[in-house]
Amino acid sequence: GQQVMQIPQYQHVQEGEDFTTYCNSSTTLSNIQWYKQRPGGHPVFLIQLVKSGEVKKQKRLTFQFGEAKKNSSLHITATQTTDVGTYFCRTGGTSYGKLTFGQGTILTVHP
Amino acid sequence: EPEVTQTPSHQVTQMGQEVILRCVPISNHLYFYWYRQILGQKVEFLVSFYNNEISEKSEIFDDQFSVERPDGSNFTLKIRSTKLEDSAMYFCASSAIQSSYEQYFGPGTRLTVT
Repeated sequence: GQQVMQIPQYQHVQEGEDFTTYCNSSTTLSNIQWYKQRPGGHPVFLIQLVKSGEVKKQKRLTFQFGEAKKNSSLHITATQTTDVGTYFCRTGGTSYGKLTFGQGTILTVHP
Repeated sequence: EPEVTQTPSHQVTQMGQEVILRCVPISNHLYFYWYRQILGQKVEFLVSFYNNEISEKSEIFDDQFSVERPDGSNFTLKIRSTKLEDSAMYFCASSAIQSSYEQYFGPGTRLTVT
């Protein structure tokens, strides 16, 4: 699978602050997905981005796919304690199974 | 809401022993996957399975590993002669169609090799 670099590795925020995690690749990506894993839990699918420059929103979450399809971001507005967990990007080519997860960003939200 | 189930939730085994991890994918799904996550690390793809055969596998999935769909509902991962470094959380996932990247993950089996 294609390699992706995810930053930051950790992010601590106060409740109500915004949070952004980035996924970067040196090569063009055909698509990218975002997953969330709560502490002690399993990955849960959030979204898939396919088109160049695509922006999708889910309530307080905004997902973007770069124009060059080499990077993506997940932005959370006004974080809540329920947002804690690790956010992974995942990408790959036409190989649906052999997809590569990023290292993940661990989000901690302080009340 | 349908979900993927996995048993056991925790398996402790001695080095060199064989273990079988079990998964029941969502009933109308056709594509099945195994992943592993070593504590504190990222999720790693092991194998995908469709139509009773392996579709793809990673470098991790060597001869020590095998998968099987013994009946219409279960999907198993067998690890022969376990090693200490096999200790990890093993996740099963399934998806409805091949073109869907939306994979549903099970709660995982924590394997501890002593």
